[in-house]
Amino acid sequence: EAGVAQSPRYKIIEKRQSVAFWCNPISGHATLYWYQQILGQGPKLLIQFQNNGVVDDSQLPKDRFSAERLKGVDSTLKIQPAKLEDSAVYLCASSLEARSGSYEQYFGPGTRLTVT
Amino acid sequence: AQTVTQSQPEMSVQEAETVTLSCTYDTSENNYYLFWYKQPPSRQMILVIRQEAYKQQNATENRFSVNFQKAAKSFSLKISDSQLGDTAMYFCAFMSSNFGNEKLTFGTGTRLTIIP
Repeated sequence: EAGVAQSPRYKIIEKRQSVAFWCNPISGHATLYWYQQILGQGPKLLIQFQNNGVVDDSQLPKDRFSAERLKGVDSTLKIQPAKLEDSAVYLCASSLEARSGSYEQYFGPGTRLTVT
Repeated sequence: AQTVTQSQPEMSVQEAETVTLSCTYDTSENNYYLFWYKQPPSRQMILVIRQEAYKQQNATENRFSVNFQKAAKSFSLKISDSQLGDTAMYFCAFMSSNFGNEKLTFGTGTRLTIIP
């Protein structure tokens, strides 16, 4: 079974530029998560989707971050404009539908963003 | 809100020895899940072991076992017969059992180094 795919793996941009990350979850996984992992910290949830609907985006800085999952499969996370403090690894994870009782989250390799 | 605390930023042990990583958490919920994730230098987060709070028996997975103390809100990970491949960051994580709140809340991690 193919794992969670993410691209790009690395991205370097200047502050105030925009950037987008892409995630393809494991086939059949209804729930998709985006986490931000700042160096030296544990991952922090940015947004959770159930199919193409948002379940939790309370920690998403909505003035600059946006995310979508239009067809309930792939997802993109965008930052516009980027700030220096956005430098982090952005992790995508997926799981079967939460109500199925299978709650294990599978993580992708992440995208390392450096904002200069 | 739930919090997860890992008080050991770094640990190192000799190969073949046993090591225990500590984790405490705070929650007002009675039913929840606890996890230990491993993040090698390649960055892909891998599930090591999980524990359902309603189960009294401690989870085990080959060389990995946990000591779950629900009243003390403690969840430590024991790695027996440590191997060089165990070198990684280890994160303790909490998940609510409430539908719509399946995000993982992570601790700050413990960097474990296995010395040959």
